[in-house]
Amino acid sequence: DGGITQSPKYLFRKEGQNVTLSCEQNLNHDAMYWYRQDPGQGLRLIYYSQIVNDFQKGDIAEGYSVSREKKESFPLTVTSAQKNPTAFYLCASSMDRRYSNQPQHFGDGTRLSIL
Amino acid sequence: AQSVTQLDSQVPVFEEAPVELRCNYSSSVSVYLFWYVQYPNQGLQLLLKYLSGSTLVKGINGFEAEFNKSQTSFHLRKPSVHISDTAEYFCAVSDRSSSASKIIFGSGTRLSIRP
Repeated sequence: DGGITQSPKYLFRKEGQNVTLSCEQNLNHDAMYWYRQDPGQGLRLIYYSQIVNDFQKGDIAEGYSVSREKKESFPLTVTSAQKNPTAFYLCASSMDRRYSNQPQHFGDGTRLSIL
Repeated sequence: AQSVTQLDSQVPVFEEAPVELRCNYSSSVSVYLFWYVQYPNQGLQLLLKYLSGSTLVKGINGFEAEFNKSQTSFHLRKPSVHISDTAEYFCAVSDRSSSASKIIFGSGTRLSIRP
């Protein structure tokens, strides 16, 4: 079955540590996205990528970094500069980067907490 | 720029009762509209979408929504809810004229079903 796989499901970060969240899709989708979800705030866009080797900042990119070396993969690094990283992180993809009528498909998320 | 307002953060209803989850959007351009559902500790799943045509859209699990352009609303309804409908529901909008498939999400409505 095609879908989006996020790993790990739970992750703990120590002070001053960078951590990387994995997102892999086998849907052959062009576009991929990272969202942060906090209680009562809905989803906020961190970064998105419309094509391999290209990505753009979303609304809350500070303290995060991404790469898009392969179409299937879009890892997110939460750096030590992100002072409040505790949240639920969701990865998504959509079929065609050129059209805004494409619904997004989501992974099951990674819950990041501070030790 | 678009924005989405979900007027109720929580909606409690009894099993087998009807429910309406309200969504209003703001945009200076034409939009596409979506409703997603999120079960605990999972990602979001598409319930339904409005792209064009009939303003009454039917989705999965017996849900439907009506696009009202004059009131800039896209309320979600179900005539009879089940315990399994307990989840968080997100309304979302994207800009028809955009060349990128970005979606703006509302803050969510938590639907709780009482037996």
